[in-house]
Amino acid sequence: DGGITQSPKYLFRKEGQNVTLSCEQNLNHDAMYWYRQDPGQGLRLIYYSQIVNDFQKGDIAEGYSVSREKKESFPLTVTSAQKNPTAFYLCASNMGQYPSGNQPQHFGDGTRLSIL
Amino acid sequence: GENVEQHPSTLSVQEGDSAVIKCTYSDSASNYFPWYKQELGKGPQLIIDIRSNVGEKKDQRIAVTLNKTAKHFSLHITETQPEDSAVYFCAARPSGAGSYQLTFGKGTKLSVIP
Repeated sequence: DGGITQSPKYLFRKEGQNVTLSCEQNLNHDAMYWYRQDPGQGLRLIYYSQIVNDFQKGDIAEGYSVSREKKESFPLTVTSAQKNPTAFYLCASNMGQYPSGNQPQHFGDGTRLSIL
Repeated sequence: GENVEQHPSTLSVQEGDSAVIKCTYSDSASNYFPWYKQELGKGPQLIIDIRSNVGEKKDQRIAVTLNKTAKHFSLHITETQPEDSAVYFCAARPSGAGSYQLTFGKGTKLSVIP
């Protein structure tokens, strides 16, 4: 079945440590996204990528980094510069906007990151 | 940028009753409005979406209405069932080149009481 796989489901970070969250999709989607979700809040965009080897900052990119070396993979690194990393992280993908027009985003089941 | 407000933040209904969730948006150029359902510990799932050239869309017990003049759109769930209990998010996206971002509301926690 096609879908988006995020791993691990739970992750713990120590002070001063960088951690990387994995996101893989087999939907042949061009665009991929990373969101952060905090309790009682909507989803906030961290980074997005429209094509391989290209990505743009979202609304809350500080303290995060990404890469897009393969179409199906878009890993997110939470660096030690992110002072409040505890959150639920969601990866999404879609066909991209042009020339496909508006296409719905499909989400993975998330990674919950906590601080030790 | 776009701002999306969603109301109410919590909603309890009796099984079989209808539920309505409303969202307003600020950017008149927005032209795509999806609704997502999120169950505990899971990622959001798209349940219905509407584009700005359509005023209403229905899929079985779920419908969405859009009022472009007033810049608001609503989710309607009829004949609610316990499995409809979840958090629902609305979102909006402006048109135009480079407009890839969705702006989300803060969510509505729907509880359907058996």
